[in-house]
Amino acid sequence: SQQGEEDPQALSIQEGENATMNCSYKTSINNLQWYRQNSGRGLVHLILIRSNEREKHSGRLRVTLDTSKKSSSLLITASRAADTASYFCVAFNDYKLSFGAGTTVTVRA
Amino acid sequence: DTEVTQTPKHLVMGMTNKKSLKCEQHMGHRAMYWYKQKAKKPPELMFVYSYEKLSINESVPSRFSPECPNSSLLNLHLHALQPEDSALYLCASSQPDRDNQPQHFGDGTRLSIL
Repeated sequence: SQQGEEDPQALSIQEGENATMNCSYKTSINNLQWYRQNSGRGLVHLILIRSNEREKHSGRLRVTLDTSKKSSSLLITASRAADTASYFCVAFNDYKLSFGAGTTVTVRA
Repeated sequence: DTEVTQTPKHLVMGMTNKKSLKCEQHMGHRAMYWYKQKAKKPPELMFVYSYEKLSINESVPSRFSPECPNSSLLNLHLHALQPEDSALYLCASSQPDRDNQPQHFGDGTRLSIL
């Protein structure tokens, strides 16, 4: 089932710029995950943040979580053409993933 | 290359055909999943198997029949599908751990119903 909304729906940036996308979810969570999907491919897990964590870093990725607002953000720093993809925030609860609508990111060379 | 292998990559079938989608993983994961994804939409969960037992069926029509013959294999049997069933079908696997559930996805089977 679709969990919530992502903002923006689409984002176009220049290579080297940062990309920020936000998501909201509706129910309680065990953790919040972000996945990337390149066109016509499967999803790749990027980063997981637990419900008792507020911020997490992994390479060029920074994720924040605000459980009081039921929201999360993903920041990709120093974007590259290879970052062009759809990004989904995914709420995990009761052994199920619930996907947001996704943000399509285009990085222009 | 992904660690979850799905076959075939593409499948075209008529509404009266019977076909099967296959998924295989060798990561020792004991939970496996089927998702359906329409164009420009997020994946929708269909079925979850945990320790080779069906644990979640998201009210999927009976023309889709999942099967988990062993801990490495997951099948989706298709019969009498409708044109609206055309989609990308994704398989995923993970450990059935309540707190840490990164899922590993295959590249999917793109299914077209004529």
